Amino acid sequence: AQSVTQLDSQVPVFEEAPVELRCNYSSSVSVYLFWYVQYPNQGLQLLLKYLSGSTLVKGINGFEAEFNKSQTSFHLRKPSVHISDTAEYFCAVSDTSGNTPLVFGKGTRLSVIA
Amino acid sequence: KAGVTQTPRYLIKTRGQQVTLSCSPISGHRSVSWYQQTPGQGLQFLFEYFSETQRNKGNFPGRFSGRQFSNSRSEMNVSTLELGDSALYLCASSSTGPGEKLFFGSGTQLSVL
Repeated sequence: AQSVTQLDSQVPVFEEAPVELRCNYSSSVSVYLFWYVQYPNQGLQLLLKYLSGSTLVKGINGFEAEFNKSQTSFHLRKPSVHISDTAEYFCAVSDTSGNTPLVFGKGTRLSVIA
Repeated sequence: KAGVTQTPRYLIKTRGQQVTLSCSPISGHRSVSWYQQTPGQGLQFLFEYFSETQRNKGNFPGRFSGRQFSNSRSEMNVSTLELGDSALYLCASSSTGPGEKLFFGSGTQLSVL
């Protein structure tokens, strides 16, 4: 079984500053990794995913994440945040069989301060 | 394409009652997953249906059940509601199943009084 740990429950950051949201996973098999974002009163939207290949993955809205197998991490980064990035961010993992459900972390609330 | 539609958007029930939530997936999607979201526990997987069959099940009591119809629409039912069942219930659909991109609905906010 897989598990995900999001190390920070809340991250405040000033507008135009860089941000990194941390995610570590645990699995005994190969994995797929995802970041989803949830804006207030909405469902989740996919930001980016890692399936295979390049360990640096670029997503929507200027976000990127790097898969580090040795450290079992998949941290999300953005070089310059905007007020509109204020939301809850979820890291998720599944095995590569395609038949098991996504396991989500508990989320990181990103608050961008003007 | 229309997105994932969940109804109703809000529900208020009392302890001991039962409730049915509905989810209409994106057209052509055969997999529907349900998650319970609470502030303390984050998103917890309830179950997943694929072509009318339950393919995966999370660690929830038998009071939580679901089904999927031939048109891929899905319902989940919670019987004998408890205060702790208050949560946002999210439905997500995908074309082949978990591991693929999930498309989420806006959820049903259930309050149990």
